[in-house]
Amino acid sequence: QKEVEQNSGPLSVPEGAIASLNCTYSDRGSQSFFWYRQYSGKSPELIMSIYSNGDKEDGRFTAQLNKASQYVSLLIRDSQPSDSATYLCAVYSGTYKYIFGTGTRLKVLA
Amino acid sequence: DVKVTQSSRYLVKRTGEKVFLECVQDMDHENMFWYRQDPGLGLRLIYFSYDVKMKEKGDIPEGYSVSREKKERFSLILESASTNQTSMYLCAVQPLGDGARKTDTQYFGPGTRLTVL
Repeated sequence: QKEVEQNSGPLSVPEGAIASLNCTYSDRGSQSFFWYRQYSGKSPELIMSIYSNGDKEDGRFTAQLNKASQYVSLLIRDSQPSDSATYLCAVYSGTYKYIFGTGTRLKVLA
Repeated sequence: DVKVTQSSRYLVKRTGEKVFLECVQDMDHENMFWYRQDPGLGLRLIYFSYDVKMKEKGDIPEGYSVSREKKERFSLILESASTNQTSMYLCAVQPLGDGARKTDTQYFGPGTRLTVL
């Protein structure tokens, strides 16, 4: 069974701090990796995609991928209360197959 | 931007009713997906479609069927709703990339919160 694992949290960080969210996956053939943000009662919203090892930055968000260790992480710099949400990690293994983690709940404390 | 709409945000139905959930995209994207999301279980794929009239079962197709008669519209049907189908239902679209190259990114509609009594 191919899996994506995330710590469910909640992860609490003070406003202005760096939030670090982690995800591990089991399928070594995975090609593409995504982070989604989901507010309570809403649908997932794409934040970042990453396809190759290393870091990818977009504003306050940085995604990190390490295929050898099979993990992907998301860093949120200067965290704001509006960043409080559940963050879903998703992995694409090809042939229309996406595997989602169950999400990490982030709370940014004002 | 990819725009995905779903027919209802909230729906309440009775056990045994036939339920239709509709998903509409605004472009000519081929790949469309139906998921359900339950606490602690994450997103689980029910069905996906890669073209008009083409469909494939996902991980949990039992109790569901789908219809795709037009490219922009993908419907999920609960043949006889049961209480264990109470859930958040999410439609997703995987758009084409540049030219003929598909991207891997999925974009979600707003979701339908279905309650079966």
